[in-house]
Amino acid sequence: AQSVTQPDIHITVSEGASLELRCNYSYGATPYLFWYVQSPGQGLQLLLKYFSGDTLVQGIKGFEAEFKRSQSSFNLRKPSVHWSDAAEYFCAVGRTHGGSQGNLIFGKGTKLSVKP
Amino acid sequence: GAVVSQHPSRVICKSGTSVKIECRSLDFQATTMFWYRQFPKQSLMLMATSNEGSKATYEQGVEKDKFLINHASLTLSTLTVTSAHPEDSSFYICSARDVSGGRGTQYFGPGTRLLVL
Repeated sequence: AQSVTQPDIHITVSEGASLELRCNYSYGATPYLFWYVQSPGQGLQLLLKYFSGDTLVQGIKGFEAEFKRSQSSFNLRKPSVHWSDAAEYFCAVGRTHGGSQGNLIFGKGTKLSVKP
Repeated sequence: GAVVSQHPSRVICKSGTSVKIECRSLDFQATTMFWYRQFPKQSLMLMATSNEGSKATYEQGVEKDKFLINHASLTLSTLTVTSAHPEDSSFYICSARDVSGGRGTQYFGPGTRLLVL
């Protein structure tokens, strides 16, 4: 079965420091991978996605993610974090089996706190 | 970019009443929309897949008679929580799949906070 693991529940980084949020997936074929960000009380905003091609994907707000098939990973990175990046981050894989074909399976999320 | 709206953003109702939540894709057509439920500090849990012009597909454990879904047009899906109880209080989020790009990226609405007293 497809699944997504975000090992870090909560990460705190200093403003201006680099960031890497981990995501591992379980899937038998080439997955469709997504990163979303959620601010408190809000819906989800798409940061970036990977379908195929170049394994380094650029997204909005200065984020990027790298698909590594050998490690079944799709880690999110940002070279310099801003205070406004504090939010909850969800990694998701596109589901291609079962009744909800094309639906997303989400990881449990990583909460990012940014200290001044 | 693709925009999805939800209405209302927040609703408080009495136990036993029904509540309707609307999900609209504003600048694209969506043959498929999804309804999620999110408990505090937890991830999103898929409730059902809403298909335009046909019956919704419910996930295991979700009562279809309690959570009625209607997807009457390519831009609107509604979720009705019937005979709501306090345990139905939650954050409900919809998403709409934009298939114009060929791969069906999902765009999410801002969510609806439901509180049942």
